[in-house]
Amino acid sequence: AQTVTQSQPEMSVQEAETVTLSCTYDTSENNYYLFWYKQPPSRQMILVIRQEAYKQQNATENRFSVNFQKAAKSFSLKISDSQLGDTAMYFCAFMKPGGTSGSRLTFGEGTQLTVNP
Amino acid sequence: DAGITQSPRHKVTETGTPVTLRCHQTENHRYMYWYRQDPGHGLRLIHYSYGVKDTDKGEVSDGYSVSRSKTEDFLLTLESATSSQTSVYFCAISSIRDRRGYTFGSGTRLTVV
Repeated sequence: AQTVTQSQPEMSVQEAETVTLSCTYDTSENNYYLFWYKQPPSRQMILVIRQEAYKQQNATENRFSVNFQKAAKSFSLKISDSQLGDTAMYFCAFMKPGGTSGSRLTFGEGTQLTVNP
Repeated sequence: DAGITQSPRHKVTETGTPVTLRCHQTENHRYMYWYRQDPGHGLRLIHYSYGVKDTDKGEVSDGYSVSRSKTEDFLLTLESATSSQTSVYFCAISSIRDRRGYTFGSGTRLTVV
């Protein structure tokens, strides 16, 4: 079974600065997907960024980028130019592509990020 | 909105009573999931469905049952609610062709007193 670990329960950053959230995972699979989800106080789960394991290039979405180290099984999220609206719980998640029964997301424990003015 | 709704949004119930949470989608997606979210645990899979009447257990299925009689509806039932089932419950949907992960509902906060 896959496991996902986020070792930082809480983090804080000053507005406009850069912060990196850590995530490690354990799997014997070679083909999989990794995700970062954001959950603001509204409770809505919002997809931030995704990475396919077969791609060596790190994914980037505007101010959000990842550092994907497949051999080390590490998938960190970097947020540049932090904004107050980035304050949220962030979840790292792993997906092994499935067959007929579909794919299942396995989540880490979450990191609560606070952006201070 | 992505076409997935959960009801109710909040519920308080007493220990020992049955509770049913509803997830409704308008996306015609084949796969539907129920997760619970608890501090320090992230989201954990309770049950999932890969088609009408096709369901299977997740990692924390004890005390829960599900039903899917139509593509659009996935029901989660707590047969006899306990305080340990106080949690936030999320429904999610996905399509096998959609590699963007899941689309989530807005969650149901359930309190068992």
